[in-house]
Amino acid sequence: GDSVTQMEGPVTLSEEAFLTINCTYTATGYPSLFWYVQYPGEGLQLLLKATKADDKGSNKGFEATYRKETTSFHLEKGSVQVSDSAVYFCALSSGGTSYGKLTFGQGTILTVHP
Amino acid sequence: AAGVIQSPRHLIKEKRETATLKCYPIPRHDTVYWYQQGPGQDPQFLISFYEKMQSDKGSIPDRFSAQQFSDYHSELNMSSLELGDSALYFCASSLGGDSFYGYTFGSGTRLTVV
Repeated sequence: GDSVTQMEGPVTLSEEAFLTINCTYTATGYPSLFWYVQYPGEGLQLLLKATKADDKGSNKGFEATYRKETTSFHLEKGSVQVSDSAVYFCALSSGGTSYGKLTFGQGTILTVHP
Repeated sequence: AAGVIQSPRHLIKEKRETATLKCYPIPRHDTVYWYQQGPGQDPQFLISFYEKMQSDKGSIPDRFSAQQFSDYHSELNMSSLELGDSALYFCASSLGGDSFYGYTFGSGTRLTVV
């Protein structure tokens, strides 16, 4: 079945540091890939997405590139801010009979210190 | 812009009681998804509805049932509650029955079973 694996967390960084959160996946066919962010006490917000190989999703300074050859979708940001502290989830949707269902990774807690 | 509305935000129930969670999708969205997120866990897909018909089913216990009504809102009914049902329950909505563009989550209902 489909699965998503994220790097072990939590991640603690100083402001303006470079961020990478690794994500790899296993899926049938050609899934769509997503990063969601969850701030404390809030729902999941779509951060960025990519729907085919070599697509780059980007939003609010975050980027991720759909790498079919390595089945990866790593999240990066060049300079993090304290306001980026949240939980980040990598997810996929593989379509087919699970049309629309999202499979999530285990989440990575990011804490950014001033 | 209108978002996905969930009610109630918080709910406390005793073991063996029944709970009903409600979800109001974004206007014109015809697809609703329910997820369960345990403490420190990633969201797990429960069930989805497209045009008022069940479209997919995940790890939803038999004690739970759900439906989507003619106005597209959805209700998740949970009976014989157990301590392990304590979790954050998210509803999400999309248009056209897929997550190709990512879908929008509500802020969730936090259910505590005591």
